[in-house]
Amino acid sequence: DIQLTQSPSFLSASVGDRVTITCRSSQYISGFLNWYQLKPGKAPKSLIYTASTLQSGVPSRFSGSGSGTDFTLTISSLQPEDFATYFCHQSYTTPYSFGQGTKLEIK
Amino acid sequence: QLQIQESGPGLVKPSETLSLTCTVSGDSMSSGNYYWVWIRQPPGKGLEWIGSFYHTWNTYYYNPSLESRVTIYADTSKSQLSLKVTSVTAADTALYYCARQGQLVGFDQWGQGTLVTVSS
Repeated sequence: DIQLTQSPSFLSASVGDRVTITCRSSQYISGFLNWYQLKPGKAPKSLIYTASTLQSGVPSRFSGSGSGTDFTLTISSLQPEDFATYFCHQSYTTPYSFGQGTKLEIK
Repeated sequence: QLQIQESGPGLVKPSETLSLTCTVSGDSMSSGNYYWVWIRQPPGKGLEWIGSFYHTWNTYYYNPSLESRVTIYADTSKSQLSLKVTSVTAADTALYYCARQGQLVGFDQWGQGTLVTVSS
């Protein structure tokens, strides 16, 4: 099975900061890496698919990059609504797997 | 606009069967090239893919770690996806999500999830 390792697990930042979350796969997954935002009591939100394509309606301050085994999610200028937990997910092969999550908190 | 809603008992006793239903509205489960999936998140932990249904091939896919205890069934005429997990333990306590997966777009639409607690 493919393991995804996300880092950091916790991130404290301020509004306006630029933050980067990394996701490393234990195996080659081409560009089949997706990112999600989770907030308590809300439906998870898909942000980015196939490593770098923004889902419709997602603000352009979110961006993704990478291929093969190493991927990043970047938020260029944090907004108050961005404080949440973020997960990466590989859709290269089943069983699909997720990173352990990055909780982004307000400093 | 597509809406996904999970429903079912919030409390299940150990060794019993957990049963949940996902109801899709605003679009047909048979339209487009989509999979319909169940995902769960134990409290304070990460996400786990449980399994998927692909209507085009009428095929089910399961996570091997759960396959022996899990059954997913799709009733496309009712736009419902069901989940059954047998012989539950405290480790099955989780927020259970239903979601849609496109061929390349990942899990692009999710329900809000329903919390299931396994306890006597």
